[in-house]
Amino acid sequence: GDSVTQMEGPVTLSEEAFLTINCTYTATGYPSLFWYVQYPGEGLQLLLKATKADDKGSNKGFEATYRKETTSFHLEKGSVQVSDSAVYFCASRLYSGAGSYQLTFGKGTKLSVIP
Amino acid sequence: DTAVSQTPKYLVTQMGNDKSIKCEQNLGHDTMYWYKQDSKKFLKIMFSYNNKELIINETVPNRFSPKSPDKAHLNLHINSLELGDSAVYFCASSPEESGGSGETQYFGPGTRLLVL
Repeated sequence: GDSVTQMEGPVTLSEEAFLTINCTYTATGYPSLFWYVQYPGEGLQLLLKATKADDKGSNKGFEATYRKETTSFHLEKGSVQVSDSAVYFCASRLYSGAGSYQLTFGKGTKLSVIP
Repeated sequence: DTAVSQTPKYLVTQMGNDKSIKCEQNLGHDTMYWYKQDSKKFLKIMFSYNNKELIINETVPNRFSPKSPDKAHLNLHINSLELGDSAVYFCASSPEESGGSGETQYFGPGTRLLVL
């Protein structure tokens, strides 16, 4: 079945450090790929997405490129801030029939940024 | 304006009780979902539902049942609550899609359920 694997956390970085959170997927088709972010005590918010190979999603300084050859969608940010502290989820999305699409999430990576 | 809302935000109840969580979306979306997030933050799809069909994750116990009075609502009813049902439950919605371009799912704020 479809699955998403992302690096285990927690990840602790100093402010202005470079961030990479790895994500790889397995799927029978060609899924759309997403990064969602969950701030403490809140629901999930879409951070960025890519719908086909070589697409780059970007938002708030975060970037991820859909790499079909390596089945990866790694999240990067050049300089993290304390306000980026959250749990980050990688997800793949495939059509599951009858007009519905199923999101398969990775287990989440908790990021803590210290001043 | 809240796009996807859930009530209650917190729910504490005893084992064996029956409870419901309500979800409403004002985005005009055709498809709604329920997810369960466990204590380790792992998110798992429970149901997806649109005006055509209910798709159930086969691992979800039949004590859980979604009920949709109309297109804007998908409530989650849970019978005979167990300790292991304690989790955060998220509702989400997305537009029905033709062509497969990766539409976003919009999530509610979550309902934190604690079964004692």
